[in-house]
Amino acid sequence: AQSVSQHNHHVILSEAASLELGCNYSYGGTVNLFWYVQYPGQHLQLLLKYFSGDPLVKGIKGFEAEFIKSKFSFNLRKPSVQWSDTAEYFCAVRAPAAGNKLTFGGGTRVLVKP
Amino acid sequence: GAVVSQHPSWVICKSGTSVKIECRSLDFQATTMFWYRQFPKQSLMLMATSNEGSKATYEQGVEKDKFLINHASLTLSTLTVTSAHPEDSSFYICSARDLGQGSNDWAQYFGPGTRLLVL
Repeated sequence: AQSVSQHNHHVILSEAASLELGCNYSYGGTVNLFWYVQYPGQHLQLLLKYFSGDPLVKGIKGFEAEFIKSKFSFNLRKPSVQWSDTAEYFCAVRAPAAGNKLTFGGGTRVLVKP
Repeated sequence: GAVVSQHPSWVICKSGTSVKIECRSLDFQATTMFWYRQFPKQSLMLMATSNEGSKATYEQGVEKDKFLINHASLTLSTLTVTSAHPEDSSFYICSARDLGQGSNDWAQYFGPGTRLLVL
């Protein structure tokens, strides 16, 4: 079974700082990778997804993520954060050959100070 | 597009009663819907997967007689928490797969969640 690890539980940074959130997974086969964001009081929204092709994926709101197969990683980045990026971020992995279930990481709470 | 709604958004009930939560895909058809539970400060845990017109598949440790799932149409799935107890208090989130996406490259869209408090 696949597992997903997000090493940072909490991140605090100032506006305009760069953000990178780590995500590692444990499944060795083909994977679909996702980052979701949950703003305070709101539902999960899809930020970006990777299925195949270019390992550098661009999503909404200026976010991007890079799939590094050799490292089993799918880290999320944003060059310059805004106060409105304060949210909880979830990495998720689906392995089509392992039942197509979406497995979530523990989430990272990001607080951007104005 | 790809909007998923849930009703109610929150519910308070007495111990021993049953509560029904609805999940609807508003602008797409969903062959598959998923029900998750989220505890405070924790990630989402998959409870069950439901396919339209067939029985739901429950994850290990989830009581299917307690959490009844019905997926009667391509736009509606319901979760009924039967004989609810305080330990069932949680945040329940549904998610749906858009039938219009590819068979291999599809994403799940999430509803806003239902907060259940059992007194």
